[in-house]
Amino acid sequence: AQKVTQAQTEISVVEKEDVTLDCVYETRDTTYYLFWYKQPPSGELVFLIRRNSFDEQNEISGRYSWNFQKSTSSFNFTITASQVVDSAVYFCALSPSNTGNQFYFGTGTSLTVIP
Amino acid sequence: NAGVMQNPRHLVRRRGQEARLRCSPMKGHSHVYWYRQLPEEGLKFMVYLQKENIIDESGMPKERFSAEFPKEGPSILRIQQVVRGDSAAYFCASSPRGGTAQETQYFGPGTRLLVL
Repeated sequence: AQKVTQAQTEISVVEKEDVTLDCVYETRDTTYYLFWYKQPPSGELVFLIRRNSFDEQNEISGRYSWNFQKSTSSFNFTITASQVVDSAVYFCALSPSNTGNQFYFGTGTSLTVIP
Repeated sequence: NAGVMQNPRHLVRRRGQEARLRCSPMKGHSHVYWYRQLPEEGLKFMVYLQKENIIDESGMPKERFSAEFPKEGPSILRIQQVVRGDSAAYFCASSPRGGTAQETQYFGPGTRLLVL
């Protein structure tokens, strides 16, 4: 079975705090890809990152960083020094190799950054 | 910088009417995907199309729903005889290539369908 769990439904932080969004996935495929998308209030989904299952290096892009741990099937997303513009719903998605065209999404985490 | 375009952004229909949702992929993309997002849920895959071909429709309801991606023009998701349970946000995504897990899908802004 393919599944993505984002246990945190809603998170509120005060501006400049760090925040980590959790993502846990299930798949029997040995090759798969993981994605994070941001959905701001305007509604579109903005691609943030893609990671393949063979690359466990953490990645940093500005204030964003991602921690991929195969041992715990997690792909967590951290925003450091959060800003009001980070307020959005964030989705984690799984793309297994045996279903080469469909993504499996978590239910999303709604992040509110309070000024 | 034309991303994936979807229209209309909002659509209101009465029960029994037809809904037609349009999606224009990013320039250079010939693979289109449709997803549905029900309230409080994540996006669920519906169908994957290439130009003039349906590749995977495993997520499509068996009745009332159809999709096409003609040689010219946008992809269309059509819902006949809508019911209240069809109320959802429908997202379209596109990619330059398809059929592999590694392809990033770029999403449009979605169409919010409300069935009265």
